[in-house]
Amino acid sequence: EAGVAQSPRYKIIEKRQSVAFWCNPISGHATLYWYQQILGQGPKLLIQFQNNGVVDDSQLPKDRFSAERLKGVDSTLKIQPAKLEDSAVYLCASSIQTANSPLHFGNGTRLTVT
Amino acid sequence: DQQVKQNSPSLSVQEGRISILNCDYTNSMFDYFLWYKKYPAEGPTFLISISSIKDKNEDGRFTVFLNKSAKHLSLHIVPSQPGDSAVYFCAASASGNEKLTFGTGTRLTIIP
Repeated sequence: EAGVAQSPRYKIIEKRQSVAFWCNPISGHATLYWYQQILGQGPKLLIQFQNNGVVDDSQLPKDRFSAERLKGVDSTLKIQPAKLEDSAVYLCASSIQTANSPLHFGNGTRLTVT
Repeated sequence: DQQVKQNSPSLSVQEGRISILNCDYTNSMFDYFLWYKKYPAEGPTFLISISSIKDKNEDGRFTVFLNKSAKHLSLHIVPSQPGDSAVYFCAASASGNEKLTFGTGTRLTIIP
C-alpha cells in the first residue's frame, strides 16, 4: 500500500511571500487532515476534510491560510502571505472513514520563513 | 490549553531494559488514545492504540495502559532496542471524531 505523499519536502521563502503544499492521501481514504508541527511541539490540526467537504477548520488562520480538496482526493494547503511564525513542518494525514481508525501521516513539508 | 500532556521531554534507557513513557489528558470526552513514533525527517507512524473500554492493550514488545480515573496512560516497551530511539507522541480523540489532539512528545534514547 502506497503511503501518504507530500511535496515539496523542503521550502524556504521570505516573509510576505506565498507558498503551497500538496498532498496525495492513501487510496480509498475519505478523510484528510493538515497538521502544523512547530519545533518542540506536537502536531496541531489545521483542517480536516471528509471527501471534499470541510469538517473542521476552527484552528486554520483563515486570513492567510487556505486549503482545498478537489474531487475528494488530492489536497493543497496555501499560505499567503507567510509570516516568520509559520516556520514549521506541515504534515498531511489520511484515514479510512471508520471509528477509531488511526491516521497515516506523510513525511511532511518543512517550511522556513526568513 | 494543552489537553494532552507529556511532561518528560526526554528519556534515556539502557538497551534491554523497560522504557516507560507517560501521558496525561484533561478532556474527559477523550475515549480513544494512540501512540505514534517519529523518526527525524519522517512523519509520525502509528504504534499502538487503546479504547477507553479497556485498561490494557498489548502488541509484541509494546503495551499501553490506561487509567481513566487518573486520566493517565503509559506506553511500556520491553525489552528496549536501539531502533526504538525516536520521539513518541501521545494522542487522543473523542467519539465520533477522528481528529487527534497530540501531546508535545518525549524523545526516547536507547543506550547500547
